[in-house]
Amino acid sequence: QKEVEQNSGPLSVPEGAIASLNCTYSDRVSQSFFWYRQYSGKSPELIMSIYSNGDKEDGRFTAQLNKASQYVSLLIRDSQPSDSATYLCAVNLDYGGSQGNLIFGKGTKLSVKP
Amino acid sequence: EPEVTQTPSHQVTQMGQEVILRCVPISNHLYFYWYRQILGQKVEFLVSFYNNEISEKSEIFDDQFSVERPDGSNFTLKIRSTKLEDSAMYFCASSEVTATANTGELFFGEGSRLTVL
Repeated sequence: QKEVEQNSGPLSVPEGAIASLNCTYSDRVSQSFFWYRQYSGKSPELIMSIYSNGDKEDGRFTAQLNKASQYVSLLIRDSQPSDSATYLCAVNLDYGGSQGNLIFGKGTKLSVKP
Repeated sequence: EPEVTQTPSHQVTQMGQEVILRCVPISNHLYFYWYRQILGQKVEFLVSFYNNEISEKSEIFDDQFSVERPDGSNFTLKIRSTKLEDSAMYFCASSEVTATANTGELFFGEGSRLTVL
């Protein structure tokens, strides 16, 4: 059973702080990794994709991937109240035609306090 | 900015009835998907569709489900005989295909909430 695990939270951080969100996955053949943001009652919104080990930065967001440890994280710098949402980690096995079959974690609920 | 659009936003139906959920993917995207999210649960993959055929489906996508691209823009999910446990938010998504591969970056519509009574 292929799993993506996240701490459900809630993770509470003060405005301006760094929020750190973590995700582990069970299948070593996983190739593509994504972070989605989901506001309550809304659809997932793609924030970051990462495909190779290391860090990838986009504005206030940094994704980190460590395939050896089967671990992917998302850092949000200068957190804002508008960042309060559930953050979903998703993994794409990306082999044998499996493209876009994302396995989602249950998500970490982030609360940024003003 | 291009977006995936879904209709209806909310549908209430009686158990055993057929339901069709509609989606218009982003115009230059070639892979289309249906996912669902039961309230409080994970987003779950149902089916992917490419080149006018199903490319992959999950265990959830059994014989009561079908997908179709009836014309050049719409992508539909049909649930033939709805059950109480089909109540969920159904998300359509699409992704771009580059010269070398599917990017795997999915863009989701706003969802269709299905309530089965």
